[in-house]
Amino acid sequence: AQKITQTQPGMFVQEKEAVTLDCTYDTSDQSYGLFWYKQPSSGEMIFLIYQGSYDEQNATEGRYSLNFQKARKSANLVISASQLGDSAMYFCAMREWRGSQGNLIFGKGTKLSVKP
Amino acid sequence: EAQVTQNPRYLITVTGKKLTVTCSQNMNHEYMSWYRQDPGLGLRQIYYSMNVEVTDKGDVPEGYKVSRKEKRNFPLILESPSPNQTSLYFCASSLGGPNEQFFGPGTRLTVL
Repeated sequence: AQKITQTQPGMFVQEKEAVTLDCTYDTSDQSYGLFWYKQPSSGEMIFLIYQGSYDEQNATEGRYSLNFQKARKSANLVISASQLGDSAMYFCAMREWRGSQGNLIFGKGTKLSVKP
Repeated sequence: EAQVTQNPRYLITVTGKKLTVTCSQNMNHEYMSWYRQDPGLGLRQIYYSMNVEVTDKGDVPEGYKVSRKEKRNFPLILESPSPNQTSLYFCASSLGGPNEQFFGPGTRLTVL
């Protein structure tokens, strides 16, 4: 079963509008972390934002915010005032622990296209 | 400059010819990891390392080996590459554990 689900393979948004990228996760751990990464067409992976499972406030970083709904196991990324440079693949990831070892599990990604 | 470097950036090889992709970080990070990225599948973890001499399998370890003899280096070894290992490979590192990961620029590997 997928542990990170991104249901939107592709999305379009008009420049200057806000957009929400969906992410749901599956874990039985009490302590976990959720991440969002951006991958522009140039290929590099860029860290955007992090939310810890015990954080009571939604994380924000500039135009990025994470809408964390723990009971629903969702961690949606909200980008406000979209810019053309926001066109990219976006990946949601979850930190998972296996005993003393841990790793990140990524979703399949959402391709965002910003229209002028 | 804090960075993760990978070499080579591009490689075309033939089935069965052993190869190594190097990964090095200069941030004194304990955690390092290798991922492969394939269209429609996102990033899948191959191997990770919590610290020197400590490595563990990720979700797709078959056909790969790693070693962590020094903190800064985490090479990925393909002993006998096959065409299904054609992919984009990323090395990443982070402080402490699997936290905010800093990614290398990627290595595009083609196995003919």
